[in-house]
Amino acid sequence: GQQLNQSPQSMFIQEGEDVSMNCTSSSIFNTWLWYKQDPGEGPVLLIALYKAGELTSNGRLTAQFGITRKDSFLNISASIPSDVGIYFCAGRRNTGTASKLTFGTGTRLQVTL
Amino acid sequence: SAVISQKPSRDICQRGTSLTIQCQVDSQVTMMFWYRQQPGQSLTLIATANQGSEATYESGFVIDKFPISRPNLTFSTLTVSNMSPEDSSIYLCSVAVPDRGTYEQYFGPGTRLTVT
Repeated sequence: GQQLNQSPQSMFIQEGEDVSMNCTSSSIFNTWLWYKQDPGEGPVLLIALYKAGELTSNGRLTAQFGITRKDSFLNISASIPSDVGIYFCAGRRNTGTASKLTFGTGTRLQVTL
Repeated sequence: SAVISQKPSRDICQRGTSLTIQCQVDSQVTMMFWYRQQPGQSLTLIATANQGSEATYESGFVIDKFPISRPNLTFSTLTVSNMSPEDSSIYLCSVAVPDRGTYEQYFGPGTRLTVT
């Protein structure tokens, strides 16, 4: 099945630095979601975006729904060690409980002190 | 959100055997989903499970290999049948719960399966 492409695949950054990652698709999605997965855990929903152009924040995290509806971006400001993990974007075409999610390939973030 | 638990959390199984994974939610939900996450990979949807009806499987996944039960609104099981080493993965259940004016998926902690 289709997967969304995430960039970068992995990144090492120093504590306190800002982080940017993106997610692109060849087709349109009407909802974009960002999840974080810690080792040995299931993904945790961080941010949900429902409208093209929308910019939404959750603490130090800010995500944007691309105007073309084919991409989304996640920024983390002033990174801290607990930001370590894998960040997945996910897209959904329709609303409602039966709507399937398509997941991105993931961005692995490692933070050094 | 919802509190989701899975059993077992991990298991090591021999090839040719079957394992049943349980998913329990602390509230009634209409839709439950089962995903597979192969080592170092992203999440792939196996099937969508509705209470009282047959599960809907994604391309590449069949009921004989991954039978699913959904006996009530808080519980589901996924069986991985006739296992081979290629079935070594994390298996995750998720549920769609009311959130932000729509429904969003929340995930359980996963079951880490190793097949030898």
